[in-house]
Amino acid sequence: DTEVTQTPKHLVMGMTNKKSLKCEQHMGHRAMYWYKQKAKKPPELMFVYSYEKLSINESVPSRFSPECPNSSLLNLHLHALQPEDSALYLCASSQGLSPLHFGNGTRLTVT
Amino acid sequence: GDSVTQMEGPVTLSEEAFLTINCTYTATGYPSLFWYVQYPGEGLQLLLKATKADDKGSNKGFEATYRKETTSFHLEKGSVQVSDSAVYFCALVTGGFKTIFGAGTRLFVKA
Repeated sequence: DTEVTQTPKHLVMGMTNKKSLKCEQHMGHRAMYWYKQKAKKPPELMFVYSYEKLSINESVPSRFSPECPNSSLLNLHLHALQPEDSALYLCASSQGLSPLHFGNGTRLTVT
Repeated sequence: GDSVTQMEGPVTLSEEAFLTINCTYTATGYPSLFWYVQYPGEGLQLLLKATKADDKGSNKGFEATYRKETTSFHLEKGSVQVSDSAVYFCALVTGGFKTIFGAGTRLFVKA
């Protein structure tokens, strides 16, 4: 069982829809991450929150909007996505420089 | 910049065969090194790690030794099982929140 929980597991959305991905961890980790993974590729870093503040934005388009309501929760708000945004979106957490703990991801399809 | 190079796959082995997946890195400073594994339909999970030169990480029969002189962290297992079929990612962290992943190596194990 993973200690990082992501919902939903699957999401299909149209290009005009607004949806949100959710992530939760209860390990007390103070850093939380969003990654995007395309098929047969390694994860690509999108955003990092440290102590609930945005620390890194890897030049991600504004149609992706992260939010960290508290130390256990991380959201990714999606709006006006493009078909090329279809991918597996992974949430992860870590404490300091410890290894990343990943959730099982949300498989997103944009139609 | 920092980088990780893994052997290209896929690697196909018969059950009980010996496994080696090569990984070399380029980094400034003193990186920590990791192997992550991704089973079908899941997120990545840490397989093993090493934080300084000559450290050996091990888990579930897998081993890797941090070799600073050859900048390598090759993954080995003496006898693979069908259940080891997955994608394996070598990765490094030199500080901060950015993990550098290799391209991934897909392993197929035949019964």
